[in-house]
Amino acid sequence: KAGVTQTPRYLIKTRGQQVTLSCSPISGHRSVSWYQQTPGQGLQFLFEYFSETQRNKGNFPGRFSGRQFSNSRSEMNVSTLELGDSALYLCASSLLSGRSETQYFGPGTRLLVL
Amino acid sequence: GESVGLHLPTLSVQEGDNSIINCAYSNSASDYFIWYKQESGKGPQFIIDIRSNMDKRQGQRVTVLLNKTVKHLSLQIAATQPGDSAVYFCAENAGGTSYGKLTFGQGTILTVHP
Repeated sequence: KAGVTQTPRYLIKTRGQQVTLSCSPISGHRSVSWYQQTPGQGLQFLFEYFSETQRNKGNFPGRFSGRQFSNSRSEMNVSTLELGDSALYLCASSLLSGRSETQYFGPGTRLLVL
Repeated sequence: GESVGLHLPTLSVQEGDNSIINCAYSNSASDYFIWYKQESGKGPQFIIDIRSNMDKRQGQRVTVLLNKTVKHLSLQIAATQPGDSAVYFCAENAGGTSYGKLTFGQGTILTVHP
């Protein structure tokens, strides 16, 4: 079974631009969570989607948004990029949405904001 | 607030030794814990998980111990191999309406010397 895939793998943007990242979960998985990883803050939860609904959201500004499609694929969008948005963005999928659901991560999208 | 912290940021061992990586968590409501391994340029890889109704769980060469009294989690790796060199993260789900939200520790760098 194929793992979680994320596209693109690398991205360079300039301040003020916006970016859309894509995540395809493991086949059959219906929950997708997004995380931001930086050297200073570590891994931080952005949001989780299940059945096209946002179930939970982390402490990030409204510039960070996401959505999930009927096939469980998910996208996240960051508008008005700032230098501090440079990070590895990780997507994780799980079979269902719940506290004890194992999350499996993709390889991430490395975003560099100049 | 919720936080998961690691006692040791780096651990260096000889090939064949046993490794122990520790993690402290602060949220007594957390009821699900996961250990992940992250190699350079890759997303976190699931190693083993444990639920709060257990004290110990074993996998292949790995054992996770949970001490709820002192809110401590540890990962033991038997016969450590060079391929085990990576950053190891503990993560917790804090229960309640946390759904797909995992809170991660800062990570421990494990280096295995041949």
